[in-house]
Formats: sequence, structure tokens, C-alpha cells
Amino acid sequence: AQSVTQLGSHVSVSEGALVLLRCNYSSSVPPYLFWYVQYPNQGLQLLLKYTTGATLVKGINGFEAEFKKSETSFHLTKPSAHMSDAAEYFCAVSRTGTASKLTFGTGTRLQVTL
Amino acid sequence: GAVVSQHPSWVICKSGTSVKIECRSLDFQATTMFWYRQFPKQSLMLMATSNEGSKATYEQGVEKDKFLINHASLTLSTLTVTSAHPEDSSFYICSARVPGQANTEAFFGQGTRLTVV
Repeated sequence: AQSVTQLGSHVSVSEGALVLLRCNYSSSVPPYLFWYVQYPNQGLQLLLKYTTGATLVKGINGFEAEFKKSETSFHLTKPSAHMSDAAEYFCAVSRTGTASKLTFGTGTRLQVTL
Repeated sequence: GAVVSQHPSWVICKSGTSVKIECRSLDFQATTMFWYRQFPKQSLMLMATSNEGSKATYEQGVEKDKFLINHASLTLSTLTVTSAHPEDSSFYICSARVPGQANTEAFFGQGTRLTVV
């Protein structure tokens, strides 16, 4: 079984400040890990993913995440927040395979203030 | 990236009627699609896995007779909410992966907001 825990349902940062969104996972097999962003009334857009290889993954819009097996974590960071980053962020895990379903965390709403 | 399109984007229906939501893969063939449901300010919950040419696989607790899924072609899956009730009001999202590509991401449709009145 797999599960994802996102700590903090709501995170608020100032524009230009560091963004840190936390994600911990549980998986009985090596996981594939994803971060998605969702804007209001829209579907999900992939920010980045970890499958194998380098544990520090860079994604779109300046976001990156580091897979830490020892900590079972995949935290999402961005050095400097922008107003346009305000959205809902979901961490997800899947088993290996081409048609594996995703298990999502409960989401973290990022607010960016002036 | 691959494109998944949902239609309609939003729909309002009367209680007791049925509503069909379409999910199309526009530039690839999807043997498997996934249907999710999202309640306000909550995460996405997988409802079912739609398999082309065969029956859908439903998650525990999802009524298969209420949420009918048909995946008749490699580019189209449909979700029909039968005899809809206000508690079925939700945001429904589909996704698909490009087959034959290991480690590939899932591409999501833009979602359908269903309101049952």
C-alpha cells in the first residue's frame, strides 16, 4: 500500500521568500514521486517527478524537489516565491509501471503575499 | 506534452437525471485512463481505472452502477453519473498516461465541475 502525507494544508510566504512544501510518503516498493500544481477550477499540471537516478529533481517555474529515501521525503522548494505561484500543490506517489494509479496527498494551498 | 481534454468543463443538472462526462486523449492513444473525484478543498480520490475494451476497475466504496464508465476507443473514456443527487456535486478529473513509456507522467484533463440541484 502507498500513502502520502503533506504537512501543512496552508502555507503563506512573502513574495521573494523561500517556498518549502513538505511531503512524506510510504511505499512498499521503490516509489515514483510527483508534484502537481492546480489552479482554481483547473486540472493538474506536473511540476516535476522523480523516478530513478539523480535525487535532486528540477522542474518547471523554478521549483525543485529532493528525494530522500532515508527520510521518506520529497519536499518541494523554490528559492524565491512569485505571486503567480499561489495555487494548490499536490504530492503524489505511484508504483512502477506504465499504468499505475496515483495516490495523492491532501494538498497544500500556497499563498503569496506582498 | 500529451493533451487530455474533458467535456464539459462545467454542468448543472437536476436531481434524478444522468450526466455524461467525456475524457479524450487528443494526440495519443490511451489504453488506460483514470477518473478522480475532488471535493472542495480536498485531495483527489481515485474512483476507477478505465480500461479500453474491458470493464473498468472501481476503487473500494465507489458504486459502479452509479458511476458508469465506458472506454470504447483508445482516445475516449466516458463517466456517466446516473440518477444524480446533490451529494454527487463535485469536481471530476480524468487522467491518462502515454502507453509504452515507463516512468511517464500522467496527463490530466481540465476537470468537470458538476452541480446537482
